[in-house]
Amino acid sequence: QSVLTQPPSASGTPGQRVTISCSGSSSNIGSNYVYWYQQLPGTAPKLLIYRNNQRPSGVPDRFSGSKSGTSASLAISGLRSEDEADYYCAAWDDSLNVVFGGGTKLTVL
Amino acid sequence: EVQLVESGGVVVQPGGSLRLSCAASGFTFDDYAMHWVRQAPGKGLEWVSLISWDGGSTYYADSVKGRFTISRDNSKNSLYLQMNSLRAEDTALYYCAKDIQPGATTMGGYWGQGTLVTVSS
Repeated sequence: QSVLTQPPSASGTPGQRVTISCSGSSSNIGSNYVYWYQQLPGTAPKLLIYRNNQRPSGVPDRFSGSKSGTSASLAISGLRSEDEADYYCAAWDDSLNVVFGGGTKLTVL
Repeated sequence: EVQLVESGGVVVQPGGSLRLSCAASGFTFDDYAMHWVRQAPGKGLEWVSLISWDGGSTYYADSVKGRFTISRDNSKNSLYLQMNSLRAEDTALYYCAKDIQPGATTMGGYWGQGTLVTVSS
């Protein structure tokens, strides 16, 4: 059981906007930054969002992150077939552990 | 170009030991904290450990505390994970990752391709 809670699956059609939620607690998301990773099939995870809503260079602005209280969201607009992947949220916990969500498998229909 | 190449993953018996290595290149290694994160087959990501840029601070997941030791050799641009008292539940692909920003301990920003550890009799 993961400390951060994500829906196991999400889906959308090309061009659509989808959001993936990540729910935590006051000791992790509530008091620390949230990070998001994309893991394409058979590859290593790639950082998509850091410090709640910042994009590393090279990440398209179709990807955006937000945080409110003890929850966070990743939004993907203009959905494309190559966005089909597993998405993970992560945060530091005040217990000095990094905690991950269980992952959300995004399917592009 | 940043490169992280993990090695050392093998099949090991329960209770056994193993040392993983991560060879880094393409960036100033001793500027960055480094992480180990693992992924059991078909499962999600699990953070394992973190070491500060100078090796002065280390952090561990509760699941490995007391059994695993993270270390680094900045003269060799290398990161290590000594794994003792291995259990079946330690079976996973182990990734090393470079922290997002120099001089800080935040989160893995760039990941290697991983090395597979299988704990089985």
